[in-house]
Amino acid sequence: GDSVTQMEGPVTLSEEAFLTINCTYTATGYPSLFWYVQYPGEGLQLLLKATKADDKGSNKGFEATYRKETTSFHLEKGSVQVSDSAVYFCALTSRTGGSYIPTFGRGTSLIVHP
Amino acid sequence: EAGVTQFPSHSVIEKGQTVTLRCDPISGHDNLYWYRRVMGKEIKFLLHFVKESKQDESGMPNNRFLAERTGGTYSTLKVQPAELEDSGVYFCASSQDPRPNTEAFFGQGTRLTVV
Repeated sequence: GDSVTQMEGPVTLSEEAFLTINCTYTATGYPSLFWYVQYPGEGLQLLLKATKADDKGSNKGFEATYRKETTSFHLEKGSVQVSDSAVYFCALTSRTGGSYIPTFGRGTSLIVHP
Repeated sequence: EAGVTQFPSHSVIEKGQTVTLRCDPISGHDNLYWYRRVMGKEIKFLLHFVKESKQDESGMPNNRFLAERTGGTYSTLKVQPAELEDSGVYFCASSQDPRPNTEAFFGQGTRLTVV
């Protein structure tokens, strides 16, 4: 079945550091790819998405590029802030048994220190 | 516009008791999903409603879990009787469109602790 693999956390960075969170996937068919973020005490919210190969999703300074050849969708940000501290989930949606079910990774916790 | 709301936000129950979780999706969203996240692990799919019908319940762990969606509006997830391994955060999500590039909107989750 479909699956998403994320790097283990927590990732601890100082403010203004460069961030990379790795995500790879396996899927039958041609999935859409997403990054969701969960801030403390809140539900998951969509951060960015990409729907076809070589698409780049971007939002709030975060970027991720859909790489079909390496089945990856790594999340990057050039300069993190304390307010970026959250749990980040990589996800894909593909057709499964007649419906489209979002499949998630285990999440990567990001802690940014001042 | 109200988002997806879940109730309760936390629940602590003893093994063998019954708990019912509720999810109110965004109005007009036909698709409703239940997920569970055990501490530090991936968010696992439980089931998918389209309106009041169960489209896919392949992720339901066993017959102690029962989900319903009355009239295609709110949904409940009942665990009876609860076991220790049922502890985790239960998320509900809804979406308007079943296409693969559509965003799912999540509630804040219900943290269930079975002691």
